[in-house]
Amino acid sequence: GQNIDQPTEMTATEGAIVQINCTYQTSGFNGLFWYQQHAGEAPTFLSYNVLDGLEEKGRFSSFLSRSKGYSYLLLKELQMKDSASYLCAVNSNYQLIWGAGTKLIIKP
Amino acid sequence: EAGVAQSPRYKIIEKRQSVAFWCNPISGHATLYWYQQILGQGPKLLIQFQNNGVVDDSQLPKDRFSAERLKGVDSTLKIQPAKLEDSAVYLCASSFTGTPGDTQYFGPGTRLTVL
Repeated sequence: GQNIDQPTEMTATEGAIVQINCTYQTSGFNGLFWYQQHAGEAPTFLSYNVLDGLEEKGRFSSFLSRSKGYSYLLLKELQMKDSASYLCAVNSNYQLIWGAGTKLIIKP
Repeated sequence: EAGVAQSPRYKIIEKRQSVAFWCNPISGHATLYWYQQILGQGPKLLIQFQNNGVVDDSQLPKDRFSAERLKGVDSTLKIQPAKLEDSAVYLCASSFTGTPGDTQYFGPGTRLTVL
């Protein structure tokens, strides 16, 4: 079967760094996406990894290890506006398989 | 550039009634997706169109759900008759080509409550 696992909820402090992990088992792999979803809003694109390694984009970085079926999203210098759910999605056989998302709570 | 438009934003109906949702994708985007997102879960693909043809509808409950994209631009998703378990947010997304690395852009969604 196809399976994507993420922690349900994480809490971090404003200004700190947080790492959100995602592990996947899918029948095919054509890349991994991270999306951000604020409560009551639509998901918005954050990053895409198709090769192993780290992709950095401002305060956000995303890492992929295809051999381990593992990715993480790293958020630095956390701001209150980063409070949201973070969704990991794998393109498997041309279809996006979505994780349930990690709800990130930022405390002052 | 205008984003993905959806209407209505909210809908409340009673079970066994019918409902329709509308989506207008980003101009020039060939691929259109309808997702169902239940609270606390990730989006679940219902149907994917490439221009006006169906690419994947394997998870669409065809006994009650239907969708069309007649001219390869906007699309409608219909539920008839609705069940309590259909209460969810229905998200429409579009992408330029539908290839694996292509970013999907989402509309604001329609929140459906079935009583």
